[in-house]
Amino acid sequence: GAGVSQSPRYKVTKRGQDVALRCDPISGHVSLYWYRQALGQGPEFLTYFNYEAQQDKSGLPNDRFSAERPEGSISTLTIQRTEQRDSAMYRCASSLRGPISSGANVLTFGAGSRLTVL
Amino acid sequence: GDSVTQMEGPVTLSEEAFLTINCTYTATGYPSLFWYVQYPGEGLQLLLKATKADDKGSNKGFEATYRKETTSFHLEKGSVQVSDSAVYFCALSDQDTPLVFGKGTRLSVIA
Repeated sequence: GAGVSQSPRYKVTKRGQDVALRCDPISGHVSLYWYRQALGQGPEFLTYFNYEAQQDKSGLPNDRFSAERPEGSISTLTIQRTEQRDSAMYRCASSLRGPISSGANVLTFGAGSRLTVL
Repeated sequence: GDSVTQMEGPVTLSEEAFLTINCTYTATGYPSLFWYVQYPGEGLQLLLKATKADDKGSNKGFEATYRKETTSFHLEKGSVQVSDSAVYFCALSDQDTPLVFGKGTRLSVIA
């Protein structure tokens, strides 16, 4: 697609429920990143993929969080047994290819999925 | 680990005022530096970047110079407009690691 698409834009759930957040990256983008952004804070890295391979999941806060990208395109971030502290904006980004430290590859972010856990 | 520190907001300026948002970083290697902007209701967008010392990134009237000696990448604009009201994030990527962001600085420009 023309941009990075995330769904749902807003999700309200009760504590203990599982949620799945979806990211559809720009067509042809190899790398896909998930970030979490609490109110008043900067985005915090969660995990990223090159194609379907999860390259780094060091930012996932605990084992209730998982992500997959089975066909190297759409990715799903799943949070099991949600807790109130999971409430945040979850942002997905994609880039043409990693690495990004050269500055040659730009991350394009989606609008985010705002999760509220009651 | 790598980190980015940027000045706390909010910053409120009158239209046509000069803007500076300070950003300093800590990195083990030789990072690339970025400024991202988030307009209300939108995702983060890359504003400008610099990949080596003394490089100047520029876009839409904004500039930032990569200063290795002071580990800084301050964002400047000579004359802000109401449409520049947004949250600005400084970020770095070191040794091919994912972007590390600062906490963001909210800018409000009033007419």
